[in-house]
Amino acid sequence: AQSVTQLDSHVSVSEGTPVLLRCNYSSSYSPSLFWYVQHPNKGLQLLLKYTSAATLVKGINGFEAEFKKSETSFHLTKPSAHMSDAAEYFCVVSPSFSGGYNKLIFGAGTRLAVHP
Amino acid sequence: GAVVSQHPSWVICKSGTSVKIECRSLDFQATTMFWYRQFPKQSLMLMATSNEGSKATYEQGVEKDKFLINHASLTLSTLTVTSAHPEDSSFYICSATLVPEAFFGQGTRLTVV
Repeated sequence: AQSVTQLDSHVSVSEGTPVLLRCNYSSSYSPSLFWYVQHPNKGLQLLLKYTSAATLVKGINGFEAEFKKSETSFHLTKPSAHMSDAAEYFCVVSPSFSGGYNKLIFGAGTRLAVHP
Repeated sequence: GAVVSQHPSWVICKSGTSVKIECRSLDFQATTMFWYRQFPKQSLMLMATSNEGSKATYEQGVEKDKFLINHASLTLSTLTVTSAHPEDSSFYICSATLVPEAFFGQGTRLTVV
């Protein structure tokens, strides 16, 4: 069975300081992993994805994540937070056996607050 | 990237009426689309998988007669909330996949009064 655990429901940082959003996954197969961001009353935007290539993945807006198979983790980081980063972040897993489409499994989400 | 358009972005309806939400893949064909429901401050819950030309596959606990899904073409899936009640008020989001990435619509805020 596949599952995703986001370890923090809320994270609060000051502008200009690093961001760390933690995600652990469980998958019986080699998964694809994603981070999405959602601003209030909006759809989801893809930040980055891991699909069995390089383990350190760079995404948009300065975000990156590292796939660590031994730790079954896919934590999201950013060196310096910006006010516009305040949003809800979802870690998502898709088992690679899905074939022509992916059935996504969402984490519970982490709300990131950025203070001046 | 690929674009998925969802319409309307918000709708208010009276109890007992039906509401149709459209999900379109604008620049690619999607044989499969997904419908999610999101309660306030919660994650997305998969409701059903919409398959072009065949019946949708519903997740456990989702009433297929309440949430009618039609996927009549490779670019359009619709979700109809029938006989809506206030407890159906929620944020509904669709997605379509261009392997390996899923693209999401902007969501529909449904309020049933």
